[in-house]
Amino acid sequence: DTAVSQTPKYLVTQMGNDKSIKCEQNLGHDTMYWYKQDSKKFLKIMFSYNNKELIINETVPNRFSPKSPDKAHLNLHINSLELGDSAVYFCASSQGGLAGGEETQYFGPGTRLLVL
Amino acid sequence: GQSLEQPSEVTAVEGAIVQINCTYQTSGFYGLSWYQQHDGGAPTFLSYNALDGLEETGRFSSFLSRSDSYGYLLLQELQMKDSASYFCAVRDMGNTDKLIFGTGTRLQVFP
Repeated sequence: DTAVSQTPKYLVTQMGNDKSIKCEQNLGHDTMYWYKQDSKKFLKIMFSYNNKELIINETVPNRFSPKSPDKAHLNLHINSLELGDSAVYFCASSQGGLAGGEETQYFGPGTRLLVL
Repeated sequence: GQSLEQPSEVTAVEGAIVQINCTYQTSGFYGLSWYQQHDGGAPTFLSYNALDGLEETGRFSSFLSRSDSYGYLLLQELQMKDSASYFCAVRDMGNTDKLIFGTGTRLQVFP
């Protein structure tokens, strides 16, 4: 059973297109995240949701819009894709309320986005 | 602001011991986490230290000194499969409470 799953695993698209990445976790966690990892492997948070509510919204262009239909799902929609959006996007989840709970994050396999 | 410093690369041979250091600057501190990421894979949680001292989990140990704002990950009896990137991380105690990752240390294990 996959704890955190993402689809698709690979996404190759043209500039200007709109695309979505889906994420689901079956760990019963309250908090979910989207991270972007660039070519230098720098891992940076984009969004965080706690129980369907937006908690963290980093300085991400508003072309990126997360949606959480329930606490087990956090999807990411990207409008008008640009070359600089090419990266690996990771979904993650964690269970807060415990010592170290926020620091123990479970990551999905990643979505490798290439914008041409 | 928050910042974490790690060496960019470390090399070692199979069977050896390697230590990956992490120094951090934070406006508040809960604890230090470590993650492993193989090429093409996802980050995987390794350990979390909230208190000073050494915590051991099999071949991997993690150490924290809060007074020195310093920690390290110790890998013993290195195996080829340990070749990966290792990230330390701290929680930002500002408004957002997000996890901030270091730039990662690439460990290459040679036969």
